[in-house]
Parts: sequence; structure tokens; C-alpha cells
Amino acid sequence: SQQGEEDPQALSIQEGENATMNCSYKTSINNLQWYRQNSGRGLVHLILIRSNEREKHSGRLRVTLDTSKKSSSLLITASRAADTASYFCATDEGYSTLTFGKGTMLLVSP
Amino acid sequence: GAGVSQTPSNKVTEKGKYVELRCDPISGHTALYWYRQSLGQGPEFLIYFQGTGAADDSGLPNDRFFAVRPEGSVSTLKIQRTERGDSAVYLCASSLTVLAGNYNEQFFGPGTRLTVL
Repeated sequence: SQQGEEDPQALSIQEGENATMNCSYKTSINNLQWYRQNSGRGLVHLILIRSNEREKHSGRLRVTLDTSKKSSSLLITASRAADTASYFCATDEGYSTLTFGKGTMLLVSP
Repeated sequence: GAGVSQTPSNKVTEKGKYVELRCDPISGHTALYWYRQSLGQGPEFLIYFQGTGAADDSGLPNDRFFAVRPEGSVSTLKIQRTERGDSAVYLCASSLTVLAGNYNEQFFGPGTRLTVL
């Protein structure tokens, strides 16, 4: 079963703009992770935020977590065409497996 | 250091046939995971191994699905009497170890795209 939902399902922007994707989940978590997937194949880990953290940065990525609202957001600043991909949030409930959302498809046009 | 590899990359089979999908984890990784991803969906957990044993197989959809990891390295996902609904990308991931409540990054392979005609 899927843990949560990403919003929006699809996002189309121009290079240089910022992209914001949201994720909601249902149960208590140990941490939340964001993954990127190109062309429906292998997933690449982007960033992890622990349940006791509220914000984290990595390069052009900024992740926030609100455990009271059971939601997270991923911000990609100064987007590039190469950022075009599907982005998934995944929750780790402490049982060693990941529960993924349905993903946001991001299209960055040159 | 090679990453996680999966073979075949694509598999087309007919309804009712048996298929085996192989995963080679990163050397030294004790934990291995299988996920299934249907079109337009996120990956869904199937089973994970710690060493040779299946620590959690709660995600296997029914008894047509089975996975083994006899020597604690390579794993094979086996699907009997395939159905059209089994068509999906099957993803394998490995991590260094499994510590409940602690973060262990999972490294994913490129997946096997299974098509059941």
C-alpha cells in the first residue's frame, strides 16, 4: 500500500524557476526521504530528514518536515532541464522498509 | 565499486509462465529489498532479506511470488503462473545493514521491466 500522496502530480516550469513538491503521509515515521527517478527506472536518493528535524538543505535542495501535519515539502531552486524527472517521497516507519508516495512528475523546459 | 545490478533489464513472457528475476547487491551489503512499481505509481515493498533469511515478506501479493537469497548475496525473485497484472518494474535495493529505528540508505538497481502478455 502507498503511505502518502505527492502534490502536485505533475509540474511544468521554466529553467531558472523554483519547483516545490509536497508530500503527505499517514503514520508516525522515523524519517522521510526524497528520491528521484528518471525514465521509470532506478531511484536515486536525494535527501533524508529525520522526524526530529524541521528543515534540511543539500545544494539546491531544501526539505521541510511538519510532523504535526504529517507533511513534507521539497524545494528545488534555480531548476535546470536536467532536473526533469519523477520525485518520490518515502517514509521509514522504523521497520527497515520504505513506503513510497505516487510521485510528482517534474518537467523543466529550457 | 559496482552498484546494484538486475537482470534481465526487460522480460516479456506469456500469461501462465514462470519467471525469475535476479538481483546482485552491492558487495558487503547484508540487507536486500525487492519492490514493485506499476505504471504511474510509486514503488511498493515486496520482501526484504537480512543475510540469507527473509526478515519481512509481508508485501508479497500472493503465494505465486517467492524470493530466495541462499548465500546472502544474490537474490532471485520467482513468479509462478504469471498474470497480466504482474506487469511492472521490479526494483531491487540493498543497504549495508538493517538496524531498526536507524537510517540505512538503500541503493537501488535499474529494475527489471516485466511484461506479461
